[in-house]
Parts: sequence; structure tokens; C-alpha cells
Amino acid sequence: KAGVTQTPRYLIKTRGQQVTLSCSPISGHRSVSWYQQTPGQGLQFLFEYFSETQRNKGNFPGRFSGRQFSNSRSEMNVSTLELGDSALYLCASSLYAGNYGYTFGSGTRLTVV
Amino acid sequence: EDKVVQSPLSLVVHEGDTVTLNCSYEVTNFRSLLWYKQEKKAPTFLFMLTSSGIEKKSGRLSSILDKKELSSILNITATQTGDSAIYLCAVRNGGSQGNLIFGKGTKLSVKP
Repeated sequence: KAGVTQTPRYLIKTRGQQVTLSCSPISGHRSVSWYQQTPGQGLQFLFEYFSETQRNKGNFPGRFSGRQFSNSRSEMNVSTLELGDSALYLCASSLYAGNYGYTFGSGTRLTVV
Repeated sequence: EDKVVQSPLSLVVHEGDTVTLNCSYEVTNFRSLLWYKQEKKAPTFLFMLTSSGIEKKSGRLSSILDKKELSSILNITATQTGDSAIYLCAVRNGGSQGNLIFGKGTKLSVKP
């Protein structure tokens, strides 16, 4: 079966712009989580969605937002981009929210110039 | 503040060596500990350890959870160059809405 699909793979944006990243989970998976990975901070949790509801949110500013659609696909939006937002954004899906293992996508590499 | 600390940060070994990677944690309401292998971009799931499953093994890889010491180890025996990767440890905290807290990873390089 298809894995977790993230689009686009690479993105270059200018400071102040906004960006939308997409994640399609494994078929049947209803939970989608987003992570930011940088060399200095490692993997940091952004938020988790289950059945179109945000279940949990990490310590990121309000410029970072997300949503989940009825087909479990999820989008993440970052507004007013800053240089420090340059990172690999990873999406992970799981059957349910809670104590389950996650399957990660290959990520979107965002560069802010 | 919940945190996960991995050691060492990097490790260079030769093929055939045995390695042990460490992960210690301080989290509220521990639920589970997970190990991932990240070679290029997508971390791939290795093990999940819980109070009811403190030891897991798959081929040359094995992991043990020590709830008393709040730590876990990942062992790799007879290492191969294909084991070169970043190994990530993550701990799930809280109740049903807990999230995963990742350590910064151990970069393992296996030389031929």
C-alpha cells in the first residue's frame, strides 16, 4: 500500500510570504502529525490531527497552523515566513491518535530566503 | 519540561562491531518509547516499548526499556555499512492526547 505522501518535496520562499504543505496519510490512517526538523533543534512536534480535530499542539507560534480534511489528508500553513522557518517538515500518520507507532513521509524541505 | 536525551551524539565504528545507543527521558505520564532510523529523510519505525513490553528484538537489533532508570538502549550487533544512519529515540507523554518528544539523535557511521 502507498506510504505517507508529502508535497511538494522542495520549496523556496521569501521572508514574509506564506506557504502551505500537504500530507496524504496511509489509506485507513486517521491520525496525522506534523514535525519540524532542524539541525540544531532536532525533531519538534507541531500538531496532531484526528478525525478533522486538532488533538494536540506543540510550542510553536500562531503563524503555524494546520487542518485535516474528511479524507484524513492534512495541510500545514506557515504565514509571514521567517528565515528560521527553514527546515524539513515531516508528516506522520497512524491508525488512531494515542499510543501507536507512526509512519513518516519523506518530508518537505522548506528554504526561506 | 519534558525532555529526551540521546548519547552519544555521534559514533564511528567498523563493520562487525557491536554498538549500544542510549536514550534517557524525563516526561510526565510516560506512555511509550519509540526508536526510529533516519537514513535520508523519512524516519522508519524500529521498535515501540511500553510498560507491558520492555524488550524487543528484530534480527541484529534489540532494545530494552528500563523504567526504573528512565532510559532505554538500542543494541546493534555485527554492524553493517547499511546501518549507517541517525537513530532517533522518542517518548510519548501524557494521556490520550500525549505527543511524541524526540531526542536529537545519534549519528552512527559504520566503516567497511
